[in-house]
Amino acid sequence: GAGVSQSPSNKVTEKGKDVELRCDPISGHTALYWYRQSLGQGLEFLIYFQGNSAPDKSGLPSDRFSAERTGGSVSTLTIQRTQQEDSAVYLCASSLAGSWLDYGYTFGSGTRLTVV
Amino acid sequence: QKEVEQNSGPLSVPEGAIASLNCTYSDRVSQSFFWYRQYSGKSPELIMSIYSNGDKEDGRFTAQLNKASQYVSLLIRDSQPSDSATYLCAVTPYNFNKFYFGSGTKLNVKP
Repeated sequence: GAGVSQSPSNKVTEKGKDVELRCDPISGHTALYWYRQSLGQGLEFLIYFQGNSAPDKSGLPSDRFSAERTGGSVSTLTIQRTQQEDSAVYLCASSLAGSWLDYGYTFGSGTRLTVV
Repeated sequence: QKEVEQNSGPLSVPEGAIASLNCTYSDRVSQSFFWYRQYSGKSPELIMSIYSNGDKEDGRFTAQLNKASQYVSLLIRDSQPSDSATYLCAVTPYNFNKFYFGSGTKLNVKP
């Protein structure tokens, strides 16, 4: 697609429920990242996928969080047994390997998750 | 210690003035540096990248990098009200596997 697409744009869920957030990166971008941004805060790294390499999961805050990337394209971030502190905007970004210096990441519009 | 530090602001400047935004980082192996602009409720968008010491200019924007002192700055000349946003500094290590973002500086340009 022309840009990074995320869905849903907004999600309200009850505490304890599981949620899935989807990211469709720019076509041909081999690198995909998930970040989250809490209100008034910076971006917190969650996970990074690069091609067929093992993902860098070092930013996932707990084992309730998981992510996968199928076919080197679409990615799904799953949060199990959601807690109120999970409320944030979840941002997906993609990049073409080797082009970071010039183009950085391209971010999607994010999914605003509210846990009530 | 945070990887990337920014003054949260807000930084207020009058229209037409120069806005100066600063960022310091802790990891000496950081190789590349980026400035993103984020309007309220929107996603970050890339303004500039820099990886060599010195200045890099792009239109009204100039990025400055000093690796010895571990800081990077962004100058905005002839500031406009439309420049009012939060500016995020990001650094990446040599292997580019992730960016570390600062918490951002909020800039207000007053007409």
